[in-house]
Amino acid sequence: GENVEQHPSTLSVQEGDSAVIKCTYSDSASNYFPWYKQELGKRPQLIIDIRSNVGEKKDQRIAVTLNKTAKHFSLHITETQPEDSAVYFCAATYRGSGAGSYQLTFGKGTKLSVIP
Amino acid sequence: DGGITQSPKYLFRKEGQNVTLSCEQNLNHDAMYWYRQDPGQGLRLIYYSQIVNDFQKGDIAEGYSVSREKKESFPLTVTSAQKNPTAFYLCASSTWGQGAFFGQGTRLTVV
Repeated sequence: GENVEQHPSTLSVQEGDSAVIKCTYSDSASNYFPWYKQELGKRPQLIIDIRSNVGEKKDQRIAVTLNKTAKHFSLHITETQPEDSAVYFCAATYRGSGAGSYQLTFGKGTKLSVIP
Repeated sequence: DGGITQSPKYLFRKEGQNVTLSCEQNLNHDAMYWYRQDPGQGLRLIYYSQIVNDFQKGDIAEGYSVSREKKESFPLTVTSAQKNPTAFYLCASSTWGQGAFFGQGTRLTVV
C-alpha cells in the first residue's frame, strides 16, 4: 500500500517568514495530493490540493509543488501570520480500477508555530 | 461545515461498556473512514469502507467494529476490548479527486 512520510514534525517561524513542509510518497500510481490544516480542537480542513498532471498550484499565500519523478510534494506558506499556526497534514490518493476503489493515506502531520 | 455529521460531540464510557459513534454524510461519497487522534498525534486509521456492505481494517482496528449498511452511514462501535479508548475520533468521507471531508469529531472519555 501507499506510505506517506512528512517532514518536519514541528516547525517554528517568525511572522512574515515563509514555511515549507515536505512529503514523500511511495506508490507511483498515486495521482491526487490534498493538504489539510487542523486548528487546535477542530477537524482537519482541506486547504489546497494538486493533481499529478500539474507541477504547481497557488492560492494566495499558499502553494503546493509536485515532483512526480522524485515522488515528493511540498506545501509553501509565504508571509506567515499567527493564524497560520496549526497542524498540517499531507495526503496521497491512489485511484484503483473498481468503482469507489481508491485509497487515502495521510502523513503524520507538521505542527507549525508562527511567532509574532 | 455541512455534509458530514458526527454525533455525539462528547461521549463518556464506563469500563466494560460498548459505545457507538455515529457518522452520517449527505455528500454522496463512496468512501468513508474512521480515524483516531490522540493529543499531539497524527491521524491513525481504524477502519475504512469504499462501498456499501464492505469495509477493511486500518492500522489500529483491534477493539473496534463498524458496519456500512447504507452509503450515508458508517457507525463505529468501541468495544470493551479496546483498553485505552480515550481519544478524539474523526469520521471522514471522500470521493475521487475531491479530497476528504471530516466530521466535527467525537471526544470519547472513559470514566
